[in-house]
Amino acid sequence: QKEVEQNSGPLSVPEGAIASLNCTYSDRVSQSFFWYRQYSGKSPELIMSIYSNGDKEDGRFTAQLNKASQYVSLLIRDSQPSDSATYLCAVTRAFTGTYKYIFGTGTRLKVLA
Amino acid sequence: NAGVTQTPKFQVLKTGQSMTLQCAQDMNHNSMYWYRQDPGMGLRLIYYSASEGTTDKGEVPNGYNVSRLNKREFSLRLESAAPSQTSVYFCASCRQGADTEAFFGQGTRLTVV
Repeated sequence: QKEVEQNSGPLSVPEGAIASLNCTYSDRVSQSFFWYRQYSGKSPELIMSIYSNGDKEDGRFTAQLNKASQYVSLLIRDSQPSDSATYLCAVTRAFTGTYKYIFGTGTRLKVLA
Repeated sequence: NAGVTQTPKFQVLKTGQSMTLQCAQDMNHNSMYWYRQDPGMGLRLIYYSASEGTTDKGEVPNGYNVSRLNKREFSLRLESAAPSQTSVYFCASCRQGADTEAFFGQGTRLTVV
């Protein structure tokens, strides 16, 4: 079992719809949770972070965390073609003097105009 | 504000050749990481460094060595390149702490023929 699991997609949604991206993690001691966006040929960039149970909203993005179910999600409202990218879920946990970032394989999102 | 800088951006090696990928950050971060990214595999941790003078193996360290030259620089060396090391390599850095963002370099696309 991978430590962070995501459906690879592609997830296709029409423009203006809500895109829902999901991620599960296996290690209960995981402490922080992140969503990175990666455009083709580019490096990952942070779009959301969440540290406690519940929802966190930032513009069109909402991150949801449920530690009991070991589940993190990202909702993108009013999806735009420019949101088409791969979304990487990441968790951190303490390890030998620092924190390791563990990434999922990513979900490819396609927003259809 | 350069952030994380990787060199080179592209490289083609012959099997058995050696090379060093360079990474430097100007954000005074303690922790630095090397990842490789292959299609369908997400970001896999090769080595990380919690602070100057310390390095530790990640998920896929075989065939690589690293040096944390000082707080700014973290290099990745391939002693004898193999076709299986064809990949995109990303360097990242962050402040120590579970809730801190990881910043990525622009990546090095390496092809071993």
